Amino acid sequence: NAGVTQTPKFRVLKTGQSMTLLCAQDMNHEYMYWYRQDPGMGLRLIHYSVGEGTTAKGEVPDGYNVSRLKKQNFLLGLESAAPSQTSVYFCASSRRRRTGTSVSTDTQYFGPGTRLTVL
Amino acid sequence: AQSVTQLGSHVSVSEGALVLLRCNYSSSVPPYLFWYVQYPNQGLQLLLKYTSAATLVKGINGFEAEFKKSETSFHLTKPSAHMSDAAEYFCATADNFNKFYFGSGTKLNVKP
Repeated sequence: NAGVTQTPKFRVLKTGQSMTLLCAQDMNHEYMYWYRQDPGMGLRLIHYSVGEGTTAKGEVPDGYNVSRLKKQNFLLGLESAAPSQTSVYFCASSRRRRTGTSVSTDTQYFGPGTRLTVL
Repeated sequence: AQSVTQLGSHVSVSEGALVLLRCNYSSSVPPYLFWYVQYPNQGLQLLLKYTSAATLVKGINGFEAEFKKSETSFHLTKPSAHMSDAAEYFCATADNFNKFYFGSGTKLNVKP
Protein backbone atom coordinates (compact mmCIF):
# COMPACT_ATOMS: atom_id res chain seq x y z
CA ASN A 1 0.00 0.00 0.00
CA ALA A 2 1.95 3.01 -1.31
CA GLY A 3 -0.56 5.66 -0.15
CA VAL A 4 -0.19 8.88 -2.13
CA THR A 5 2.66 9.15 -4.62
CA GLN A 6 3.79 12.09 -6.72
CA THR A 7 5.95 12.32 -9.82
CA PRO A 8 8.33 13.91 -10.43
CA LYS A 9 10.04 14.78 -7.14
CA PHE A 10 12.01 17.69 -8.59
CA ARG A 11 11.72 19.74 -11.75
CA VAL A 12 13.30 22.86 -13.18
CA LEU A 13 11.46 24.73 -15.93
CA LYS A 14 12.13 27.81 -17.96
CA THR A 15 9.52 30.55 -18.10
CA GLY A 16 6.84 29.66 -20.63
CA GLN A 17 7.41 25.92 -20.59
CA SER A 18 4.65 23.52 -19.71
CA MET A 19 4.56 20.44 -17.52
CA THR A 20 2.23 18.02 -15.79
CA LEU A 21 2.51 16.75 -12.23
CA LEU A 22 1.02 13.36 -11.52
CA CYS A 23 -0.59 12.29 -8.27
CA ALA A 24 -1.69 8.71 -7.66
CA GLN A 25 -3.40 7.13 -4.67
CA ASP A 26 -4.19 3.50 -3.99
CA MET A 27 -6.62 3.96 -1.10
CA ASN A 28 -9.76 4.23 -3.26
CA HIS A 29 -10.36 7.76 -1.98
CA GLU A 30 -13.06 9.86 -3.61
CA TYR A 31 -11.50 13.26 -2.90
CA MET A 32 -8.16 14.51 -4.19
CA TYR A 33 -6.42 17.87 -3.82
CA TRP A 34 -3.49 19.90 -5.08
CA TYR A 35 -1.78 22.40 -2.77
CA ARG A 36 1.21 24.65 -3.07
CA GLN A 37 3.44 25.45 -0.12
CA ASP A 38 5.38 28.68 0.09
CA PRO A 39 7.47 29.91 3.05
CA GLY A 40 5.35 31.57 5.73
CA MET A 41 2.08 30.94 3.89
CA GLY A 42 1.21 27.40 4.87
CA LEU A 43 -0.57 25.30 2.27
CA ARG A 44 -2.92 26.88 -0.22
CA LEU A 45 -5.45 24.88 -2.17
CA ILE A 46 -5.07 25.10 -5.95
CA HIS A 47 -7.74 22.72 -7.24
CA TYR A 48 -9.59 19.76 -5.88
CA SER A 49 -11.80 16.93 -7.04
CA VAL A 50 -14.70 15.23 -5.31
CA GLY A 51 -14.86 12.35 -7.74
CA GLU A 52 -13.79 10.95 -11.08
CA GLY A 53 -14.49 13.40 -13.88
CA THR A 54 -15.12 16.38 -11.56
CA THR A 55 -12.81 19.23 -10.56
CA ALA A 56 -13.22 22.54 -8.78
CA LYS A 57 -11.17 25.65 -8.09
CA GLY A 58 -9.52 26.25 -4.78
CA GLU A 59 -7.95 29.36 -3.31
CA VAL A 60 -5.21 29.94 -5.93
CA PRO A 61 -6.26 28.32 -9.23
CA ASP A 62 -4.90 30.84 -11.75
CA GLY A 63 -2.24 29.46 -14.06
CA TYR A 64 -3.08 25.83 -13.31
CA ASN A 65 -5.38 23.23 -14.80
CA VAL A 66 -6.31 19.79 -13.49
CA SER A 67 -7.90 16.60 -14.68
CA ARG A 68 -9.31 13.52 -12.93
CA LEU A 69 -9.95 10.97 -15.64
CA LYS A 70 -9.40 8.04 -13.30
CA LYS A 71 -10.39 7.81 -9.65
CA GLN A 72 -6.83 7.05 -8.53
CA ASN A 73 -5.08 9.82 -10.48
CA PHE A 74 -5.17 13.60 -10.27
CA LEU A 75 -3.05 15.61 -12.71
CA LEU A 76 -1.90 19.20 -12.25
CA GLY A 77 -0.86 21.08 -15.35
CA LEU A 78 1.05 24.29 -15.88
CA GLU A 79 0.49 25.50 -19.46
CA SER A 80 2.97 28.40 -19.37
CA ALA A 81 5.13 28.37 -16.27
CA ALA A 82 6.02 31.60 -14.50
CA PRO A 83 8.63 32.27 -11.78
CA SER A 84 5.75 32.94 -9.35
CA GLN A 85 4.88 29.26 -9.65
CA THR A 86 8.17 28.24 -8.05
CA SER A 87 6.97 26.29 -5.05
CA VAL A 88 6.59 22.90 -3.45
CA TYR A 89 3.46 21.14 -4.63
CA PHE A 90 1.62 18.59 -2.53
CA CYS A 91 -1.13 16.24 -3.50
CA ALA A 92 -3.55 14.83 -0.93
CA SER A 93 -6.50 12.48 -0.88
CA SER A 94 -9.30 11.61 1.49
CA ARG A 95 -12.36 9.44 1.61
CA ARG A 96 -15.89 10.72 1.58
CA ARG A 97 -17.41 9.97 4.94
CA ARG A 98 -21.11 10.00 5.49
CA THR A 99 -22.79 10.64 8.83
CA GLY A 100 -26.42 9.75 8.45
CA THR A 101 -27.65 11.63 5.43
CA SER A 102 -24.91 14.26 5.43
CA VAL A 103 -21.37 14.21 4.12
CA SER A 104 -18.69 14.96 6.67
CA THR A 105 -14.99 15.53 6.53
CA ASP A 106 -12.17 13.07 6.99
CA THR A 107 -8.39 13.02 7.28
CA GLN A 108 -6.34 14.05 4.27
CA TYR A 109 -3.31 11.94 3.37
CA PHE A 110 -0.41 13.70 1.70
CA GLY A 111 2.15 12.78 -0.90
CA PRO A 112 5.88 13.54 -0.47
CA GLY A 113 5.78 16.69 -2.61
CA THR A 114 7.24 17.99 -5.86
CA ARG A 115 9.76 20.81 -5.74
CA LEU A 116 9.34 22.99 -8.84
CA THR A 117 11.65 25.81 -9.83
CA VAL A 118 10.76 28.14 -12.69
CA LEU A 119 13.65 30.19 -14.00
CA ALA B 1 -15.32 31.58 6.01
CA GLN B 2 -13.40 29.11 8.09
CA SER B 3 -9.79 29.77 9.00
CA VAL B 4 -7.11 29.05 11.57
CA THR B 5 -4.41 31.30 12.96
CA GLN B 6 -1.18 29.97 14.37
CA LEU B 7 0.54 32.26 16.82
CA GLY B 8 4.31 32.23 16.48
CA SER B 9 6.06 31.18 13.31
CA HIS B 10 9.02 29.85 15.33
CA VAL B 11 9.06 28.25 18.77
CA SER B 12 12.22 27.10 20.52
CA VAL B 13 12.27 24.82 23.56
CA SER B 14 14.89 22.83 25.40
CA GLU B 15 14.85 19.06 25.29
CA GLY B 16 12.59 17.81 28.07
CA ALA B 17 10.62 21.05 28.31
CA LEU B 18 6.92 21.53 27.64
CA VAL B 19 5.89 22.11 24.04
CA LEU B 20 2.98 24.48 23.44
CA LEU B 21 1.97 25.42 19.90
CA ARG B 22 -0.99 27.75 19.59
CA CYS B 23 -3.88 27.61 17.15
CA ASN B 24 -7.09 29.62 17.11
CA TYR B 25 -9.92 28.89 14.75
CA SER B 26 -12.67 30.92 13.22
CA SER B 27 -15.83 29.08 12.44
CA SER B 28 -19.52 29.67 12.68
CA VAL B 29 -20.27 25.98 13.13
CA PRO B 30 -18.65 23.24 15.23
CA PRO B 31 -15.34 22.77 13.48
CA TYR B 32 -13.27 19.86 12.36
CA LEU B 33 -9.72 20.58 13.53
CA PHE B 34 -6.43 18.88 12.75
CA TRP B 35 -2.76 19.10 13.59
CA TYR B 36 -0.26 17.93 11.01
CA VAL B 37 3.53 17.65 11.28
CA GLN B 38 6.01 18.11 8.44
CA TYR B 39 9.58 16.89 8.72
CA PRO B 40 12.17 18.41 6.36
CA ASN B 41 11.65 17.50 2.73
CA GLN B 42 8.62 15.36 3.49
CA GLY B 43 4.86 15.60 3.15
CA LEU B 44 2.45 16.27 5.98
CA GLN B 45 1.54 13.58 8.49
CA LEU B 46 -1.53 13.62 10.69
CA LEU B 47 -0.80 14.09 14.39
CA LEU B 48 -4.35 14.23 15.68
CA LYS B 49 -7.84 15.40 14.84
CA TYR B 50 -10.86 16.76 16.66
CA THR B 51 -14.29 15.68 15.51
CA SER B 52 -16.39 16.64 18.57
CA ALA B 53 -16.20 13.24 20.27
CA ALA B 54 -13.98 14.52 23.11
CA THR B 55 -12.43 17.88 23.89
CA LEU B 56 -9.02 16.42 24.77
CA VAL B 57 -7.56 14.62 21.80
CA LYS B 58 -4.52 12.40 22.01
CA GLY B 59 -2.31 11.91 19.00
CA ILE B 60 0.85 10.18 17.99
CA ASN B 61 4.30 10.71 19.49
CA GLY B 62 2.90 11.90 22.84
CA PHE B 63 1.15 14.99 21.48
CA GLU B 64 -2.30 16.07 22.53
CA ALA B 65 -4.60 19.02 21.90
CA GLU B 66 -7.53 20.47 23.78
CA PHE B 67 -10.55 21.97 22.07
CA LYS B 68 -11.78 25.05 23.97
CA LYS B 69 -14.89 26.51 22.45
CA SER B 70 -14.94 29.52 24.79
CA GLU B 71 -11.47 30.50 23.60
CA THR B 72 -11.88 29.21 19.99
CA SER B 73 -8.57 27.47 20.49
CA PHE B 74 -7.02 24.11 19.71
CA HIS B 75 -3.50 24.32 21.12
CA LEU B 76 -1.05 21.46 20.69
CA THR B 77 1.00 20.30 23.67
CA LYS B 78 3.58 17.72 24.62
CA PRO B 79 4.86 17.43 28.20
CA SER B 80 8.47 16.73 27.33
CA ALA B 81 10.14 17.71 24.06
CA HIS B 82 12.44 15.34 22.26
CA MET B 83 15.02 16.21 19.65
CA SER B 84 13.04 14.21 17.09
CA ASP B 85 10.08 16.60 17.54
CA ALA B 86 11.89 19.33 15.62
CA ALA B 87 9.67 19.94 12.59
CA GLU B 88 7.05 22.30 11.25
CA TYR B 89 3.53 21.96 12.64
CA PHE B 90 0.35 22.98 10.89
CA CYS B 91 -3.08 23.51 12.33
CA ALA B 92 -5.98 23.04 9.93
CA THR B 93 -9.73 23.21 9.84
CA ALA B 94 -12.09 21.66 7.34
CA ASP B 95 -15.62 22.20 6.17
CA ASN B 96 -18.26 19.59 5.52
CA PHE B 97 -17.08 19.25 1.94
CA ASN B 98 -13.58 18.26 3.04
CA LYS B 99 -11.93 21.48 1.94
CA PHE B 100 -9.07 22.10 4.33
CA TYR B 101 -7.78 25.49 5.46
CA PHE B 102 -4.25 25.47 6.85
CA GLY B 103 -2.50 27.86 9.18
CA SER B 104 0.83 29.37 8.19
CA GLY B 105 2.78 26.86 10.26
CA THR B 106 5.01 26.92 13.35
CA LYS B 107 8.57 25.67 13.20
CA LEU B 108 9.59 23.93 16.39
CA ASN B 109 13.26 23.95 17.33
CA VAL B 110 14.42 21.68 20.15
CA LYS B 111 17.69 22.62 21.84
CA PRO B 112 19.85 19.97 23.47
